[in-house]
Amino acid sequence: AQSVTQPDIHITVSEGASLELRCNYSYGATPYLFWYVQSPGQGLQLLLKYFSGDTLVQGIKGFEAEFKRSQSSFNLRKPSVHWSDAAEYFCAVGAPNNDMRFGAGTRLTVKP
Amino acid sequence: DSGVTQTPKHLITATGQRVTLRCSPRSGDLSVYWYQQSLDQGLQFLIQYYNGEERAKGNILERFSAQQFPDLHSELNLSSLELGDSALYFCASSLRWGGSSGNTIYFGEGSWLTVV
Repeated sequence: AQSVTQPDIHITVSEGASLELRCNYSYGATPYLFWYVQSPGQGLQLLLKYFSGDTLVQGIKGFEAEFKRSQSSFNLRKPSVHWSDAAEYFCAVGAPNNDMRFGAGTRLTVKP
Repeated sequence: DSGVTQTPKHLITATGQRVTLRCSPRSGDLSVYWYQQSLDQGLQFLIQYYNGEERAKGNILERFSAQQFPDLHSELNLSSLELGDSALYFCASSLRWGGSSGNTIYFGEGSWLTVV
């Protein structure tokens, strides 16, 4: 079965600094990869997704992610973080039965 | 707004009781999923329905059950509730079934269940 690992439970960055959230997956076939963001008290909002093609995908709110098959990774990046980006971020991999497995999440704190 | 609607948003109930959570998927979506999010377990997949039929089961307890109705809305029934069932329950929907299609899952805002 597929699995997702987000190695960082909590990350703190200063506003305006760059951000990279790590995601590693385990899946035998071509993965379908997603990043979701969850603000406090809210549901999960899709940031971006990778199905095929260009390995660098652009998402909403200025986020991007790069699929690296050789490293089994799908790291999320943003060049300049805003205070409103503080939230929990989940990486997920699509499964054959479409149940979608999520990582444990990375909580992002943004310092002024 | 994802288009997925869940009710109630908040629910407090006592141990041993039974509750029903309701979900209306996005217009046109045939698949409905239920997830449980708790502090100790993270986000856990419970069950998936596609066009009224159960398609996948995850870590769903026997005390829990779900169904998807002909109008495609879904209900998650939680019975003999325990303190540990306190969590945020998400419903999600997607157009199709099957990971190979790579279709996207959209989440509702969740139903907060507190068992006291």
